[in-house]
Amino acid sequence: DIQMTQSPSSLSASVGDRVTITCRASQGIRNSLVWYQQKPGKAPELLIYSASTLQSGVPSRFSGSGSGTDFTLTISSLQPEDVATYYCQKYNSVPPTFGGGTKVEIK
Amino acid sequence: QVQLVESGGGMAQPGRSLRLSCAASGFTFRNYGMHWVRQAPGKGLEWVALISSDATNKYYADSVKGRFTISRDNSENTMYLQMNSLKVDDTAVYYCAKDVGDYHYDFWGQGTLVTVSS
Repeated sequence: DIQMTQSPSSLSASVGDRVTITCRASQGIRNSLVWYQQKPGKAPELLIYSASTLQSGVPSRFSGSGSGTDFTLTISSLQPEDVATYYCQKYNSVPPTFGGGTKVEIK
Repeated sequence: QVQLVESGGGMAQPGRSLRLSCAASGFTFRNYGMHWVRQAPGKGLEWVALISSDATNKYYADSVKGRFTISRDNSENTMYLQMNSLKVDDTAVYYCAKDVGDYHYDFWGQGTLVTVSS
């Protein structure tokens, strides 16, 4: 099975900072990667699919990039409402594995 | 609008059984694969099982294979997860999720908590 590794596991940044989260696949997955945002006590929500396509309604400060084994999620200007845990997930094959998550907090 | 509502969670002793339901509305249920994903307290997301739109294909995580059974009733717009031989490690919030078409999700339910404890 393909393993997904996220880093860092947590980060603290100031409002307005640029934040980058990394997700690495143990084998190439082309662009079959999504990012979810999970706010405390809530279900996850889809942010980005196909590694870089923004889901409808998601603010443009979120962006994704990468292909193959290395992917990034970037928040261009961190906002208080972005406090959440972010998960990557590889898809297109079973099992659709999640990364371990990155908890984002405001400094 | 799309709604997924899980039910059936609660407390069970190790070795016992529970059956979760996921009631769907707001989309053509029979056209979409569906998944169960769980999250242990304070932990990350773990994929549990998936069922194809017509129920012909079912897949399970190794951690639940042989103990859990996924099913669906397209006439009732409902998906199920029969959980047998429950273990303490099965304690989690269980989410149902609608498959976009290639094993990722555009909508999730609010989750139902399963607690396995003696």
